[in-house]
Amino acid sequence: DSGVTQTPKHLITATGQRVTLRCSPRSGDLSVYWYQQSLDQGLQFLIQYYNGEERAKGNILERFSAQQFPDLHSELNLSSLELGDSALYFCASSGAAGGQDSGNTIYFGEGSWLTVV
Amino acid sequence: AQSVTQLDSQVPVFEEAPVELRCNYSSSVSVYLFWYVQYPNQGLQLLLKYLSGSTLVESINGFEAEFNKSQTSFHLRKPSVHISDTAEYFCAVSEGGGYQKVTFGTGTKLQVIP
Repeated sequence: DSGVTQTPKHLITATGQRVTLRCSPRSGDLSVYWYQQSLDQGLQFLIQYYNGEERAKGNILERFSAQQFPDLHSELNLSSLELGDSALYFCASSGAAGGQDSGNTIYFGEGSWLTVV
Repeated sequence: AQSVTQLDSQVPVFEEAPVELRCNYSSSVSVYLFWYVQYPNQGLQLLLKYLSGSTLVESINGFEAEFNKSQTSFHLRKPSVHISDTAEYFCAVSEGGGYQKVTFGTGTKLQVIP
């Protein structure tokens, strides 16, 4: 158990709809990352938040948005869903600035399976 | 900008044979290096990591990786693979700092053949 919790584990929704994926990072971790994994694109970095602020942006579509709340949990919002958005979405977290060990290791959740039909 | 290259997308190997999964990185500063493993239908798990010190790092299940600064490589090796090692392996690099930006490779699927 990595300590990173993602909900829901599975989600089936229709095209055009909007969904929200939720992530609780490991206790004390300030950084949260979102990744998308699909068969054709592999593991794609979407976005990173650090202590509530956006720190890095990857291949995140404009239809997608994320935020990190004061309690450090994060949500990834996916809107106007298309068939191609079907994928496994991972949340990951890592520790505080200056941390020696956990500060440089990313811990992944089990992922949220999204199927768009 | 940092980047990671995993040259092999798939590596088939017979059980009990040795295996090497290759990883090369590029970065203009000192880096931290990681190998993650993803078993079927599971999330990514940390396998081993290099932060500093000895350039040879080992995992609890017999894998090892060696940081080679001159060749900018961090290849993963195991002298004798088991069926249970069948998984996808991801190399990752981080330049550290106050907020870590981690870049992952495209992954290598290790298929152990009985």
